[in-house]
Amino acid sequence: DAGVTQSPTHLIKTRGQQVTLRCSPKSGHDTVSWYQQALGQGPQFIFQYYEEEERQRGNFPDRFSGHQFPNYSSELNVNALLLGDSALYLCASSSQGDGYTFGSGTRLTVV
Amino acid sequence: AQSVAQPEDQVNVAEGNPLTVKCTYSVSGNPYLFWYVQYPNRGLQFLLKYITGDNLVKGSYGFEAEFNKSQTSFHLKKPSALVSDSALYFCAVRDPPHSSASKIIFGSGTRLSIRP
Repeated sequence: DAGVTQSPTHLIKTRGQQVTLRCSPKSGHDTVSWYQQALGQGPQFIFQYYEEEERQRGNFPDRFSGHQFPNYSSELNVNALLLGDSALYLCASSSQGDGYTFGSGTRLTVV
Repeated sequence: AQSVAQPEDQVNVAEGNPLTVKCTYSVSGNPYLFWYVQYPNRGLQFLLKYITGDNLVKGSYGFEAEFNKSQTSFHLKKPSALVSDSALYFCAVRDPPHSSASKIIFGSGTRLSIRP
Protein backbone atom coordinates (compact mmCIF):
# COMPACT_ATOMS: atom_id res chain seq x y z
CA ASP A 1 0.00 0.00 0.00
CA ALA A 2 1.70 3.16 -1.22
CA GLY A 3 1.72 6.04 1.17
CA VAL A 4 2.14 9.66 0.15
CA THR A 5 4.77 10.18 -2.54
CA GLN A 6 6.47 13.52 -3.10
CA SER A 7 8.82 14.55 -5.86
CA PRO A 8 11.50 15.64 -6.18
CA THR A 9 13.16 14.90 -2.85
CA HIS A 10 15.61 17.76 -3.15
CA LEU A 11 16.09 20.69 -5.47
CA ILE A 12 18.04 23.91 -5.68
CA LYS A 13 16.65 27.03 -7.31
CA THR A 14 17.84 30.58 -7.83
CA ARG A 15 16.08 33.63 -6.44
CA GLY A 16 13.34 34.83 -8.76
CA GLN A 17 12.78 31.43 -10.35
CA GLN A 18 9.62 29.39 -10.21
CA VAL A 19 9.28 25.86 -8.80
CA THR A 20 6.69 23.08 -8.95
CA LEU A 21 6.48 20.34 -6.33
CA ARG A 22 4.38 17.23 -6.77
CA CYS A 23 2.41 14.98 -4.45
CA SER A 24 0.60 11.68 -4.96
CA PRO A 25 -1.80 10.92 -2.11
CA LYS A 26 -2.28 7.68 -0.28
CA SER A 27 -4.66 5.32 -2.02
CA GLY A 28 -8.24 6.11 -1.04
CA HIS A 29 -7.51 9.68 0.07
CA ASP A 30 -9.17 12.60 -1.71
CA THR A 31 -7.81 15.62 0.17
CA VAL A 32 -4.31 17.04 -0.08
CA SER A 33 -2.76 19.61 2.26
CA TRP A 34 0.58 21.36 1.85
CA TYR A 35 2.86 22.55 4.64
CA GLN A 36 6.08 24.55 4.78
CA GLN A 37 8.59 23.61 7.46
CA ALA A 38 11.47 26.02 7.91
CA LEU A 39 14.57 24.73 9.66
CA GLY A 40 13.98 24.30 13.37
CA GLN A 41 10.31 25.18 13.19
CA GLY A 42 6.98 23.42 13.10
CA PRO A 43 5.14 22.87 9.82
CA GLN A 44 3.03 25.83 8.68
CA PHE A 45 -0.20 25.22 6.77
CA ILE A 46 -0.13 26.58 3.21
CA PHE A 47 -3.40 25.35 1.70
CA GLN A 48 -5.68 22.36 1.23
CA TYR A 49 -7.25 20.96 -1.92
CA TYR A 50 -10.44 18.94 -2.20
CA GLU A 51 -12.45 18.14 -5.32
CA GLU A 52 -9.86 20.01 -7.39
CA GLU A 53 -10.47 23.27 -5.55
CA GLU A 54 -8.62 25.17 -2.86
CA ARG A 55 -10.73 24.66 0.24
CA GLN A 56 -8.62 26.42 2.86
CA ARG A 57 -5.58 28.67 2.81
CA GLY A 58 -3.06 29.67 5.43
CA ASN A 59 -1.21 32.94 5.72
CA PHE A 60 0.93 32.65 2.59
CA PRO A 61 1.25 35.15 -0.27
CA ASP A 62 -0.26 34.65 -3.70
CA ARG A 63 3.15 33.54 -4.98
CA PHE A 64 2.13 30.17 -3.55
CA SER A 65 -0.46 28.44 -5.66
CA GLY A 66 -1.60 24.91 -6.20
CA HIS A 67 -3.62 22.50 -8.19
CA GLN A 68 -5.37 19.20 -7.68
CA PHE A 69 -5.97 16.79 -10.52
CA PRO A 70 -8.89 14.39 -11.07
CA ASN A 71 -6.76 11.50 -9.73
CA TYR A 72 -6.35 13.53 -6.47
CA SER A 73 -2.64 14.20 -7.01
CA SER A 74 -1.53 17.74 -6.39
CA GLU A 75 1.08 20.33 -7.27
CA LEU A 76 2.45 23.23 -5.29
CA ASN A 77 3.82 26.14 -7.33
CA VAL A 78 5.94 28.94 -5.95
CA ASN A 79 6.73 31.96 -8.13
CA ALA A 80 9.42 34.61 -7.73
CA LEU A 81 11.36 32.54 -5.21
CA LEU A 82 12.91 34.27 -2.22
CA LEU A 83 15.73 33.04 -0.02
CA GLY A 84 13.16 32.73 2.77
CA ASP A 85 11.25 30.13 0.77
CA SER A 86 14.01 27.63 1.53
CA ALA A 87 12.33 24.92 3.56
CA LEU A 88 11.03 21.37 3.68
CA TYR A 89 7.67 21.21 1.92
CA LEU A 90 5.40 18.50 3.22
CA CYS A 91 2.34 17.07 1.56
CA ALA A 92 -0.34 15.30 3.57
CA SER A 93 -3.32 13.38 2.28
CA SER A 94 -6.51 12.53 4.10
CA SER A 95 -10.13 11.58 3.67
CA GLN A 96 -13.22 11.72 5.81
CA GLY A 97 -12.95 8.96 8.36
CA ASP A 98 -9.20 8.53 7.96
CA GLY A 99 -6.36 10.50 9.42
CA TYR A 100 -3.58 12.47 7.80
CA THR A 101 -0.67 10.68 6.15
CA PHE A 102 2.43 12.74 5.47
CA GLY A 103 5.00 12.33 2.73
CA SER A 104 8.73 12.56 3.34
CA GLY A 105 8.84 16.05 1.88
CA THR A 106 10.73 18.03 -0.73
CA ARG A 107 13.76 19.96 0.49
CA LEU A 108 13.88 23.26 -1.44
CA THR A 109 16.99 25.41 -1.28
CA VAL A 110 16.89 28.88 -2.82
CA VAL A 111 20.27 30.44 -3.55
CA ALA B 1 -8.52 29.75 16.49
CA GLN B 2 -7.03 26.55 17.79
CA SER B 3 -3.39 26.48 18.82
CA VAL B 4 -0.84 24.41 20.73
CA ALA B 5 2.33 25.42 22.53
CA GLN B 6 5.42 23.38 23.31
CA PRO B 7 7.33 25.23 26.03
CA GLU B 8 10.56 23.24 25.74
CA ASP B 9 12.83 23.44 22.71
CA GLN B 10 14.85 20.47 23.92
CA VAL B 11 14.45 17.64 26.42
CA ASN B 12 17.40 15.49 27.49
CA VAL B 13 16.85 12.12 29.18
CA ALA B 14 19.07 9.17 30.04
CA GLU B 15 18.22 5.86 28.42
CA GLY B 16 15.92 3.79 30.60
CA ASN B 17 14.48 6.80 32.41
CA PRO B 18 10.91 8.03 31.94
CA LEU B 19 10.40 10.92 29.56
CA THR B 20 7.82 13.68 29.27
CA VAL B 21 7.39 16.14 26.41
CA LYS B 22 5.04 18.97 27.29
CA CYS B 23 2.20 20.47 25.28
CA THR B 24 -0.56 22.91 26.17
CA TYR B 25 -3.50 23.76 23.98
CA SER B 26 -5.90 26.61 23.39
CA VAL B 27 -9.11 25.62 21.68
CA SER B 28 -12.76 26.50 21.59
CA GLY B 29 -14.89 23.48 22.29
CA ASN B 30 -13.61 19.95 22.59
CA PRO B 31 -10.09 19.51 21.25
CA TYR B 32 -8.82 16.96 18.76
CA LEU B 33 -5.12 16.57 19.57
CA PHE B 34 -2.18 14.70 18.07
CA TRP B 35 1.45 13.86 18.61
CA TYR B 36 3.77 13.36 15.64
CA VAL B 37 7.45 12.42 15.46
CA GLN B 38 9.97 13.47 12.83
CA TYR B 39 13.30 11.76 12.24
CA PRO B 40 16.08 13.56 10.32
CA ASN B 41 15.24 14.21 6.66
CA ARG B 42 11.93 12.42 7.03
CA GLY B 43 8.29 13.35 7.03
CA LEU B 44 5.98 13.28 10.03
CA GLN B 45 4.94 10.00 11.59
CA PHE B 46 1.72 9.75 13.57
CA LEU B 47 2.13 8.61 17.20
CA LEU B 48 -1.29 9.02 18.78
CA LYS B 49 -4.42 11.12 18.97
CA TYR B 50 -7.05 12.21 21.47
CA ILE B 51 -10.61 12.80 20.40
CA THR B 52 -12.72 11.90 23.40
CA GLY B 53 -12.96 9.31 26.14
CA ASP B 54 -10.15 7.98 28.30
CA ASN B 55 -7.69 10.72 29.28
CA LEU B 56 -4.73 8.36 28.85
CA VAL B 57 -4.12 7.61 25.20
CA LYS B 58 -1.75 4.86 24.11
CA GLY B 59 0.11 5.13 20.83
CA SER B 60 2.94 3.73 18.75
CA TYR B 61 6.41 2.71 19.98
CA GLY B 62 5.33 2.58 23.63
CA PHE B 63 4.35 6.25 23.82
CA GLU B 64 1.29 7.51 25.62
CA ALA B 65 -0.22 10.92 26.26
CA GLU B 66 -2.28 12.29 29.10
CA PHE B 67 -5.10 14.70 28.35
CA ASN B 68 -5.81 17.13 31.20
CA LYS B 69 -8.75 19.42 30.60
CA SER B 70 -8.30 21.55 33.72
CA GLN B 71 -4.67 22.28 32.85
CA THR B 72 -5.30 22.36 29.06
CA SER B 73 -2.36 20.03 28.60
CA PHE B 74 -1.60 17.00 26.48
CA HIS B 75 1.83 15.77 27.57
CA LEU B 76 3.60 12.94 25.76
CA LYS B 77 5.14 10.27 27.98
CA LYS B 78 7.09 7.05 27.87
CA PRO B 79 8.02 4.94 30.91
CA SER B 80 11.49 3.95 29.68
CA ALA B 81 13.34 5.94 27.01
CA LEU B 82 15.37 4.39 24.21
CA VAL B 83 18.24 6.01 22.32
CA SER B 84 16.21 5.41 19.16
CA ASP B 85 13.49 7.75 20.54
CA SER B 86 15.80 10.69 19.83
CA ALA B 87 13.91 12.83 17.31
CA LEU B 88 11.79 15.95 16.88
CA TYR B 89 8.32 15.75 18.41
CA PHE B 90 5.33 17.88 17.46
CA CYS B 91 2.10 18.42 19.29
CA ALA B 92 -0.78 19.35 16.97
CA VAL B 93 -4.45 20.23 16.98
CA ARG B 94 -7.16 19.79 14.38
CA ASP B 95 -8.87 23.03 13.37
CA PRO B 96 -11.83 23.04 13.43
CA PRO B 97 -11.85 19.92 15.56
CA HIS B 98 -14.73 17.96 14.15
CA SER B 99 -15.11 19.04 10.56
CA SER B 100 -14.21 17.14 7.42
CA ALA B 101 -12.72 20.42 6.13
CA SER B 102 -10.14 20.73 8.84
CA LYS B 103 -6.42 21.36 8.88
CA ILE B 104 -3.75 20.39 11.38
CA ILE B 105 -1.93 23.13 13.28
CA PHE B 106 1.45 22.24 14.74
CA GLY B 107 3.44 23.42 17.71
CA SER B 108 7.01 24.59 17.35
CA GLY B 109 8.46 21.21 18.19
CA THR B 110 10.59 19.70 20.95
CA ARG B 111 13.87 17.98 20.24
CA LEU B 112 14.18 14.86 22.39
CA SER B 113 17.70 13.61 23.00
CA ILE B 114 18.24 10.29 24.77
CA ARG B 115 21.77 9.66 26.01
CA PRO B 116 23.07 6.09 26.40
